[in-house]
Amino acid sequence: ETGVTQTPRHLVMGMTNKKSLKCEQHLGHNAMYWYKQSAKKPLELMFVYSLEERVENNSVPSRFSPECPNSSHLFLHLHTLQPEDSALYLCASSRLASGFGNTIYFGEGSWLTVV
Amino acid sequence: KQEVTQIPAALSVPEGENLVLNCSFTDSAIYNLQWFRQDPGKGLTSLLLIQSSQREQTSGRLNASLDKSSGRSTLYIAASQPGDSATYLCAVNTGANSKLTFGKGITLSVRP
Repeated sequence: ETGVTQTPRHLVMGMTNKKSLKCEQHLGHNAMYWYKQSAKKPLELMFVYSLEERVENNSVPSRFSPECPNSSHLFLHLHTLQPEDSALYLCASSRLASGFGNTIYFGEGSWLTVV
Repeated sequence: KQEVTQIPAALSVPEGENLVLNCSFTDSAIYNLQWFRQDPGKGLTSLLLIQSSQREQTSGRLNASLDKSSGRSTLYIAASQPGDSATYLCAVNTGANSKLTFGKGITLSVRP
């Protein structure tokens, strides 16, 4: 139990569906992240939210839409995805301090299959 | 652009062996470096974090070192056990927002 909870753990969706991934952190952190992990590739940073503001969008297609309503919750809204978007989506959180990066804690991930 | 390399991609050792996992990165301007463990189908568990001003960190049987000027880090695992079998990922933090750049990981198998 890392203090970062992701739901659902597994999701199968068609290319025309709309679904959302949810992440919740119970660590009092002020930054949250979405990462994508595909087979044979390094983890890729998708989005960073600091104090509920999106501070990074790593050239992610618009079919992925993040939302951070407060410092404890992060969503990834999915629509008209492609089969190549099938991957493990990992949420993470950390406490940002000036000049340093602190330990980043990851959730268990949401396995997404697009059919 | 920062790149992180972990070689080899896979490693198999007998139980009890001491082993070293290597990580290299191309840009030495980092805030810190973090080692993670990932079990199959699971998320990442943080093992050790080394700030850029530090040379090493220890936790139990694990010791991580950092040589920022040469762009290298090693994770030393003492007296390996079958329960250590997992994928070990190295990640460098290059931004004020704790953006991590990951290597592909080393999949370790410890044989009983």
